Amino acid sequence: GDSVTQMQGQVTLSEDDFLFINCTYSTTWYPTLFWYVQYPGEGPQLLLKVTTANNKGISRGFEATYDKRTTSFHLQKASVQESDSAVYYCVLRNAGAKLTFGGGTRLTVRP
Amino acid sequence: DTTVKQNPRYKLARVGKPVNLICSQTMNHDTMYWYQKKPNQAPKLLLFYYDKILNREADTFEKFQSSRPNNSFCSLYIGSAGLEYSAMYLCASSRLGGSYEQYFGPGTRLTVL
Repeated sequence: GDSVTQMQGQVTLSEDDFLFINCTYSTTWYPTLFWYVQYPGEGPQLLLKVTTANNKGISRGFEATYDKRTTSFHLQKASVQESDSAVYYCVLRNAGAKLTFGGGTRLTVRP
Repeated sequence: DTTVKQNPRYKLARVGKPVNLICSQTMNHDTMYWYQKKPNQAPKLLLFYYDKILNREADTFEKFQSSRPNNSFCSLYIGSAGLEYSAMYLCASSRLGGSYEQYFGPGTRLTVL
């Protein structure tokens, strides 16, 4: 079946640091890939989306590139702010429109 | 309004008792989902309704029931709660059977004692 792996359970940074969250996936299909972000007290919300037609997604200063060769979909941001503190989920959608979530990475940004 | 609402936000239940969780959306989405999220685990899809058709995941088929009396509401029902049901339950909705973005509610935290 489909699977998504986020090796980093927690990341702690200071404001203006560079963010890199690792994500790899496994599927037999050509998936659509997402990053969802969940702030405290809220449900996950879509941060960015990438399909096989466009390899890179950019939103709110975050970007992620879909690499079919390495089956990776890492999330990056050049300069994080305290307001970026949240849980970030790498998510795969297969042909059946079912979402498979990674375990999530909790980002804490110190002021 | 892209809000998905869930009630209650917190639920305490006794082992062996039934539990009913409610979700609503006013976006006229045809598909509604229920996920279970346990600490340090990924959200796991339990079931979803596409219009009036219920689809349940194979490994949770007998543990959860659901109903969708109209387009806006969807419930998740546990007939006899066990300790292993303690988790956050997330409801989501989308249009066109999931071809578009899923919008999530804030979740209901269920604690079974």
